[in-house]
Amino acid sequence: EPEVTQTPSHQVTQMGQEVILRCVPISNHLYFYWYRQILGQKVEFLVSFYNNEISEKSEIFDDQFSVERPDGSNFTLKIRSTKLEDSAMYFCASIDRAGGDNSPLHFGNGTRLTVT
Amino acid sequence: AQSVAQPEDQVNVAEGNPLTVKCTYSVSGNPYLFWYVQYPNRGLQFLLKYITGDNLVKGSYGFEAEFNKSQTSFHLKKPSALVSDSALYFCAVRDKDSGYSTLTFGKGTMLLVSP
Repeated sequence: EPEVTQTPSHQVTQMGQEVILRCVPISNHLYFYWYRQILGQKVEFLVSFYNNEISEKSEIFDDQFSVERPDGSNFTLKIRSTKLEDSAMYFCASIDRAGGDNSPLHFGNGTRLTVT
Repeated sequence: AQSVAQPEDQVNVAEGNPLTVKCTYSVSGNPYLFWYVQYPNRGLQFLLKYITGDNLVKGSYGFEAEFNKSQTSFHLKKPSALVSDSALYFCAVRDKDSGYSTLTFGKGTMLLVSP
């Protein structure tokens, strides 16, 4: 069964540094998402991406964040200047909207980001 | 705005006993409702969904969920729990009528099934 893959599984960075989290969505999916989960808290929506542009974003997704699909397969989340509170598990997800609005999201295993 | 509440941080049940994980939701229009499960160091896996029609929805691994519109609830159930069901369970909602496509998740409920 096709999977969403994310790399790296764990990233440690110093405050103020830039990080790029990488995702390869399922190949025939057209809609892509980033969610994050701070330890012990709920899964929070960050951004959705379709047709090479952001379709929705949350209040969390401020100017420090950006997304890109540079080569038609990878889908990246960049945090320009990390803060301690960015420490979380970041999940990439994709969806095949050919199945309609009730299609479930397919999630990757996540990247644990630790900002020190 | 749409939201999900999972009132229990943790549910403990003995193997073989029935389990219920509670979820209530709030949307402006009609809901699409989902349950996901997360095992340690893994992403969220889809379990089941409610779209329309029959209020009792059956999903993977013997799980089912009951949609109750008057109580705005979508509780997850299983008649006989297994130790391997121990995991973190998330309820999620999407407003069918608003065109707002994003899934909103609850904070999760840890299910612990003891042998």
